[in-house]
Amino acid sequence: DIVMTQSPDSLAVSLGERATITCKSSHSVLSSSNNKNYLGWYQQKPGQPPKLLIYWASTRESGVPDRFSGSGSGTDFILTISSLQAEDVAVYYCQQYYTTSWTFGQGTKVEVK
Amino acid sequence: EVHLLESGGGLVQPGGSLRLSCAASRFAFSDYTITWVRQAPGQGLEWVSAISRIDDIRYYADSVKGRFTVSRDNSKNIVYLQMNTLRAEDTAVYYCATDSRGVVYWGQGTLVTVSS
Repeated sequence: DIVMTQSPDSLAVSLGERATITCKSSHSVLSSSNNKNYLGWYQQKPGQPPKLLIYWASTRESGVPDRFSGSGSGTDFILTISSLQAEDVAVYYCQQYYTTSWTFGQGTKVEVK
Repeated sequence: EVHLLESGGGLVQPGGSLRLSCAASRFAFSDYTITWVRQAPGQGLEWVSAISRIDDIRYYADSVKGRFTVSRDNSKNIVYLQMNTLRAEDTAVYYCATDSRGVVYWGQGTLVTVSS
């Protein structure tokens, strides 16, 4: 299985400041057939299912604010929240869907400092 | 837009069985691999099983292999997860999901509690 490792486990950021989460996969999730990274980022709030923010590593899902952005390729990825808002307090997960047996990072809890 | 709805969760005793359903609508169901993911209380996301769109190839996590069986009925647009010999550690919210052109769609989840 591909192991996904996120850092940090938790993050406290002041409102309006930048939050950065990294995700590293144990195997490349870049497909040579279509040159796409099979990597997604999710936001999850208590009692809710995961909400897709970013897919193909850097494509923002429809309706997601542009303060959320994804970057990276191969095995190293970053989720950036450019200006943290109160409603962004949540747990964030990265996920690879390169293999049928999806795997997820352990989650990063983002709080307001 | 893809729509998925899970049902069938509930309280079951250790060693018992439960069958979850994932009903799909608004997309060509038979063209998609359907995946089950679970989340134990306060924990992260764990892939459980998947059933392919072609040839009904089935995949299982080691933690459920031999106890869970995934199946699909394309005529009804439903995927089932038959869970046998349930353990306390199977307690979780179970989600069904699928990806279409890179976008992963999720249902709202159904809670399974294994407890005496």
